[in-house]
Amino acid sequence: ELKVEQNPLFLSMQEGKNYTIYCNYSTTSDRLYWYRQDPGKSLESLFVLLSNGAVKQEGRLMASLDTKARLSTLHITAAVHDLSATYFCAVDGETSGSRLTFGEGTQLTVNP
Amino acid sequence: DAGVTQSPTHLIKTRGQQVTLRCSPKSGHDTVSWYQQALGQGPQFIFQYYEEEERQRGNFPDRFSGHQFPNYSSELNVNALLLGDSALYLCASGTGVANYGYTFGSGTRLTVV
Repeated sequence: ELKVEQNPLFLSMQEGKNYTIYCNYSTTSDRLYWYRQDPGKSLESLFVLLSNGAVKQEGRLMASLDTKARLSTLHITAAVHDLSATYFCAVDGETSGSRLTFGEGTQLTVNP
Repeated sequence: DAGVTQSPTHLIKTRGQQVTLRCSPKSGHDTVSWYQQALGQGPQFIFQYYEEEERQRGNFPDRFSGHQFPNYSSELNVNALLLGDSALYLCASGTGVANYGYTFGSGTRLTVV
């Protein structure tokens, strides 16, 4: 069974600081997704990482994928309050086809 | 270009009742997957429909069933509702079975009392 673990689960940070969220998964996969979810809302796609060594950046967020280590990171640079949300990583396992397995989510709070 | 549309947005049902949730995929998409997201947790895969057939199923009881129509829209049915079925139900659409371009709808918030 494919397992996806995120850490930390809760993250409180000051504006202007940097931090990294980690996503580990238990089986071979070439496809890793990061989503953002605001309270009571749906999932907003942030990044799709499709190959080993993939790196994508959008504004203050940068995601990377190491398929050999089965690890993805979401790095936050100079956080601002608007980044406060819950961030999920999800994996599309080789044997599961197009069926996402999500991590528990990281609830990020950026304080002024 | 309309994205994924789900209805209703909110629903309150009594334990033991049955409920039907609806999803219209994004234009050009032909695959629909359903996810259940309990409060404070990540979404859990329920099942996927493609070419009007259930292609994959997660660890959900038979009380959860679905259907896909020729226009690619889909319904999720839950029978004999339990309090634990209270959750946000998300529909995601894509192209083909082994795709990677998922688009999620805004969800249906189901409360069972």
